[in-house]
Amino acid sequence: AQSVSQHNHHVILSEAASLELGCNYSYGGTVNLFWYVQYPGQHLQLLLKYFSGDPLVKGIKGFEAEFIKSKFSFNLRKPSVQWSDTAEYFCAVNPSDSNYQLIWGAGTKLIIKP
Amino acid sequence: EAQVTQNPRYLITVTGKKLTVTCSQNMNHEYMSWYRQDPGLGLRQIYYSMNVEVTDKGDVPEGYKVSRKEKRNFPLILESPSPNQTSLYFCASKLRSSYNSPLHFGNGTRLTVT
Repeated sequence: AQSVSQHNHHVILSEAASLELGCNYSYGGTVNLFWYVQYPGQHLQLLLKYFSGDPLVKGIKGFEAEFIKSKFSFNLRKPSVQWSDTAEYFCAVNPSDSNYQLIWGAGTKLIIKP
Repeated sequence: EAQVTQNPRYLITVTGKKLTVTCSQNMNHEYMSWYRQDPGLGLRQIYYSMNVEVTDKGDVPEGYKVSRKEKRNFPLILESPSPNQTSLYFCASKLRSSYNSPLHFGNGTRLTVT
């Protein structure tokens, strides 16, 4: 079965630290890839997405992600985190033959210590 | 303002008492979907709809019903709620015709079934 794995359920960092959140998926075909963010008490919103082209994509608030096809990975990165980045981050994969359906990772809760 | 509106935000009910969570979007989106979010499990899709009068089961449809009589509305119905349906529910919508368009989420409904 298709699945999305986020390696860490909880990550705690200090401000200004660098961030990398892992995301791996199991599907051999073409995929569209997303990272969504959920700030405390809010709904999910799109952080960035990859459909084709340059595998390094930039999103809002200084986030970026790199699609590595050979590793089935789409890791999220930010060079220097801020307290306001405290949130839960979800990786989602849309297999190209799945009619707009998304397969979601379990989420990673990121806590930034001021 | 473009948005997905869910009501109510919070709901406490008892086992077996039928309830409906409403979802409405004002963006003329064809695609709408319901998810439940549980700790450690991420988002799991309950039902989705590709257009008016077209609905399909997601990953966890048992115990839920939906209807799509109008494009803008996609209510979630629990005919006989049980405690294992205590969860945070999100409605989402998107333009069906565009892979590039993101999912727009409502603010969520926190349901407690006692």
